[in-house]
Amino acid sequence: DTVLTQSPALAVSPGERVSISCRASEGVNSYMHWYQQKPGQQPKLLIYKASNLASGVPARFSGSGSGTDFTLTIDPVEADDTATYFCQQSWNDPTFGGGTKLELK
Amino acid sequence: QVQLEESGPGLMQPSETLSLTCTVSGFSLTSNGVGWVRQPLGKGLVWMGTIWAGGSTNYNSAVQSRLSISRDTSKSQVFLKMNSLQPEDTGTYYCARHVKTTGAFDYWGQGVMVTVSS
Repeated sequence: DTVLTQSPALAVSPGERVSISCRASEGVNSYMHWYQQKPGQQPKLLIYKASNLASGVPARFSGSGSGTDFTLTIDPVEADDTATYFCQQSWNDPTFGGGTKLELK
Repeated sequence: QVQLEESGPGLMQPSETLSLTCTVSGFSLTSNGVGWVRQPLGKGLVWMGTIWAGGSTNYNSAVQSRLSISRDTSKSQVFLKMNSLQPEDTGTYYCARHVKTTGAFDYWGQGVMVTVSS
């Protein structure tokens, strides 16, 4: 299985820029996607294929990377962005990262 | 609009067979894939399997021997059946539309919580 590694948690202040990283155990080309999950809710697709914004997602969210290293950036961060963010690869059978919990200071 | 809704029993006994239904609207099962994703309480997401537009299936090797995914296109329903349940199968089960071209899950149901306990 392709293992995806994310930092467990980050804390930022509203208005700042935050980058959330995801590292794959093997190359996944550009087949990396990002999701936002708020407590008690289902995941929501933010970015697909590394850098494409999903429908209805604010332009504050962006994605970059290829191969094994990927980044989700939120700029500027808003209070409503408090959530856990998951990466997912689809180059091989789908696997998800452990999630990064974003907290606001 | 695209919607998915999971249904099924909330409490199961160990060794029983779990049956879940995902009812979709706003898209056709003959043109789109639907996958199942499990999330243990407070933990991460695990893909379990997908049924594709043509009816073929792919399963996570960790559960492949216990899992079956099927569908009834006339009712716009996708079914998950998993046997030999254990307490570690406890979690929220989501169905999600699985985009063939990208591999992303672009729409998700709200999930159904399943507890396996004696």
